Amino acid sequence: EVQLVESGGGLVQPGGSLRLCCAASGFSFSNFWMHWVRQAPGKGLEWVANIEGDGRRMYYVDSVQGRFTISRDNAKNSLYLQMNSLTAEDTAIYYCAKDSNWSLDSWGQGTLVTVPS
Amino acid sequence: QSVLTQPPSVSAAPGQKVTISCSGSSSNIGNNYVSWYQQFPGTAPKLLIYENNKRPSGIPDRFSGSKSGTSATLGITGLQTGDEADYYCITCDRSLNVWVFGGGTKVTVL
Repeated sequence: EVQLVESGGGLVQPGGSLRLCCAASGFSFSNFWMHWVRQAPGKGLEWVANIEGDGRRMYYVDSVQGRFTISRDNAKNSLYLQMNSLTAEDTAIYYCAKDSNWSLDSWGQGTLVTVPS
Repeated sequence: QSVLTQPPSVSAAPGQKVTISCSGSSSNIGNNYVSWYQQFPGTAPKLLIYENNKRPSGIPDRFSGSKSGTSATLGITGLQTGDEADYYCITCDRSLNVWVFGGGTKVTVL
């Protein structure tokens, strides 16, 4: 059974940094692209970033380009999101998701990041 | 403002059918597969449809997907109160290498 468990969320002051982690199990982690998707309170889903299975390619939504870095450690079956220069607009639940067949077929439960205004 | 356009809400009586549209462009929906997700309040999204019209195991055939040109549609037949949720369409814009989402549609069972 695929399991994705996010951690690392919390309250951080504007301009601060936070590192999210997603622990994966139940599948061959290194064979799959992985994504981060976020959802601001009461709002819709927003794609944040993704990374290829071997970590060579990664892409970002414009609003986080240059501030966020997605990475992975295939030896530890873990996905990361380093978030710097955080603003109130980054306040959201952050989900990690597994990519398969051009869809996000498994999601974690999410971790909440709060940046006060 | 979401890249893909969905109606904010749709509603129907139990047992009836609803359809949710998802409109994009030639660079996203027109050039890639569309997937659909169901999200209940306070929970993570769940994959309903992938590759435009395929259902993962465990998803009932009351849920269907289709795509034509730069638009996609999710259909729910035999509507049940348990189908009340938010539904999202997603695709990849291969020219920009970014994934784009619809704004979500709230389904209400009257």
